[in-house]
Amino acid sequence: DQQVKQNSPSLSVQEGRISILNCDYTNSMFDYFLWYKKYPAEGPTFLISISSIKDKNEDGRFTVFLNKSAKHLSLHIVPSQPGDSAVYFCAASRWGAGTALIFGKGTTLSVSS
Amino acid sequence: NAGVTQTPKFRVLKTGQSMTLLCAQDMNHEYMYWYRQDPGMGLRLIHYSVGEGTTAKGEVPDGYNVSRLKKQNFLLGLESAAPSQTSVYFCASRGGTERNQPQHFGDGTRLSIL
Repeated sequence: DQQVKQNSPSLSVQEGRISILNCDYTNSMFDYFLWYKKYPAEGPTFLISISSIKDKNEDGRFTVFLNKSAKHLSLHIVPSQPGDSAVYFCAASRWGAGTALIFGKGTTLSVSS
Repeated sequence: NAGVTQTPKFRVLKTGQSMTLLCAQDMNHEYMYWYRQDPGMGLRLIHYSVGEGTTAKGEVPDGYNVSRLKKQNFLLGLESAAPSQTSVYFCASRGGTERNQPQHFGDGTRLSIL
């Protein structure tokens, strides 16, 4: 049973517009959430994170929103750039188990110029 | 600044052969992890370590063994490779216990079992 779900396998947006990537989770014990970006033939690269005690975290063009009651988080990229084209993974962790990450299946973002 | 280095980058094995994947980190991190990624899937945790000399099972540990004899190295072993173990393997490390410290990943090892 998938504990972290990214229901959109792909997303296409135009350069300069907003990209919104969504993620849902089922385990209420998760208390820390992260987004990773992955290019082909490379390892995932950390993008942004949010603690369950917050509902928003910003870092430049990237903002993550957390809705605990809905068990939903989203990543907003504004403005989108062609270099943002990659696979984006949502991940969650909880205390214990080495704070290992549970990953979603990823969403492939394509930004066209 | 190498970060997390995985060796080898590619390998082809025959069913039943054994091999060891090496992960080395130069960030003095306590925590290390091995994940596998299959097509259309997210990364799944195989084993992890919370410090030198410790190991623990993750979500998909069967068919794999690990060792953490030195803090900077985390080895993943396949004793008798099976085609189902064809995958891309990622190693990651993380420092300390602060929750805001993310995992840093290597670039992966592509393993094919024939």
